[in-house]
Amino acid sequence: DVQMTQSPSSLSASVGDRVTITCRASQGINNYLAWYQQKPGKVPELLIYDASSLHSGVPSRFSGSGYGTDFTLTINSLQPEDFGIYYCQKYDNAPYTFGPGTRLEIK
Amino acid sequence: EVQLLESGGGLIQPGGSLRLSCAASGFSFSTYAMNWVRQAPGKGLEWVSAISATGGSTKYADFVKGRFTISRDNSENILYLQMNSLRAEDTALYHCAQDTRSIKAWGQGTLVTVSS
Repeated sequence: DVQMTQSPSSLSASVGDRVTITCRASQGINNYLAWYQQKPGKVPELLIYDASSLHSGVPSRFSGSGYGTDFTLTINSLQPEDFGIYYCQKYDNAPYTFGPGTRLEIK
Repeated sequence: EVQLLESGGGLIQPGGSLRLSCAASGFSFSTYAMNWVRQAPGKGLEWVSAISATGGSTKYADFVKGRFTISRDNSENILYLQMNSLRAEDTALYHCAQDTRSIKAWGQGTLVTVSS
């Protein structure tokens, strides 16, 4: 099965910063990758699908890129409400594995 | 508005069985593949199982294969997860989730606790 890794596992950044989170698949998954944000006590929310498509209602400061095995989620001009845990997920074929998550803290 | 409402969780002894249900509304249930995703307390997201829109195809994570069975009733708009031979490591909040081509809607989850 394809394994998903994320880096960093956690980071702390300031309001206005640009933040990049990386997700790597152990084998190529084309562009079948989604990014989610989860805040404490809440269900995850879809941010990006098909590696680079912005989900409806998601602020344009979020963007995704990548293809094959290497993917990035970028948050431009970090806002206070962007704290939480960010997960990537592959959905080319089952199992639809999630990455281990990246915890983002706002300084 | 999409609504997914899970039920059926609870405290169960190791080796026991539970059946989870997810009542769906606000969308054309019979045209969407569906998933179960779980999250153990303080841990990350784990995909558990998926079923095609018609119910004709099912997929499972290795750690539940042979123990869990996903099914659906498109006439009643309900998704199920039959969980047998439960283990302590199955303790988690189990979410019903819409679509397998990125998950666009999640239920709030039903808590399963496996403990003696």
